[in-house]
Amino acid sequence: EIVLTQSPGTLSLSPGERATLSCRASQSVSSSYLAWYQQKPGQAPRLLIYGASSRATGIPDRFSGSGSGTDFTLTISRLEPEDFAVYYCQQYGSSPAITFGQGTRLEIK
Amino acid sequence: QVQLQESGPGLVKPSQTLSLTCTVSGGSISSGGYYWSWIRQHPGKGLEWIGYIYYSGSTYYNPSLKSRVTISVDTSKNQFSLKLSSVTAADTAVYYCARGSRYYDSSGYFSPPFFDYWGQGTLVTVSS
Repeated sequence: EIVLTQSPGTLSLSPGERATLSCRASQSVSSSYLAWYQQKPGQAPRLLIYGASSRATGIPDRFSGSGSGTDFTLTISRLEPEDFAVYYCQQYGSSPAITFGQGTRLEIK
Repeated sequence: QVQLQESGPGLVKPSQTLSLTCTVSGGSISSGGYYWSWIRQHPGKGLEWIGYIYYSGSTYYNPSLKSRVTISVDTSKNQFSLKLSSVTAADTAVYYCARGSRYYDSSGYFSPPFFDYWGQGTLVTVSS
């Protein structure tokens, strides 16, 4: 099973700043089969990025994903108030188990 | 716009079977192309994939839960279901259903599914 480790655990930033979230895999993720989700309290996760770098439908272009192999990054170029949430990475290329990272909490400084 | 809605008991006794149903609207399960999935989230914790099913009935389960999980589909009702047997307090969680989508990757093959639409989730508590 591929273990995903996200860092930092908590990131404190101000609106307008740039956020960089990391996701490191214990083994290489096949064909960049990595996704990012945003989750707000009491809500279901929302897909942001798939294929490591493709934005999902309706996702603002301030969200971008990059990386390959074992190291992946989600970048939010200019934080908006609605971006403060928990972010999860997920790999879906390893059979038979899909796995998620433990999450990064992005909080207002 | 595809919508998913979970339903089922919010309280299950230990050793019993947890049963949930997900009703899909805005799209037909039987049209194919998607994997219909269950994912859970323990209180205050991260996400755990349980398994998914294709409209044909093919299933894929998380090995850690495989011995207790059954996912089935009813295309006539546009629903799919989860059964988790022999539950304990460790199965207390919010259970989400989700749609798994695929795309052609750079090699020209279909990717495995990722989750683009989710239900709102339902809390299931295991307690006597």
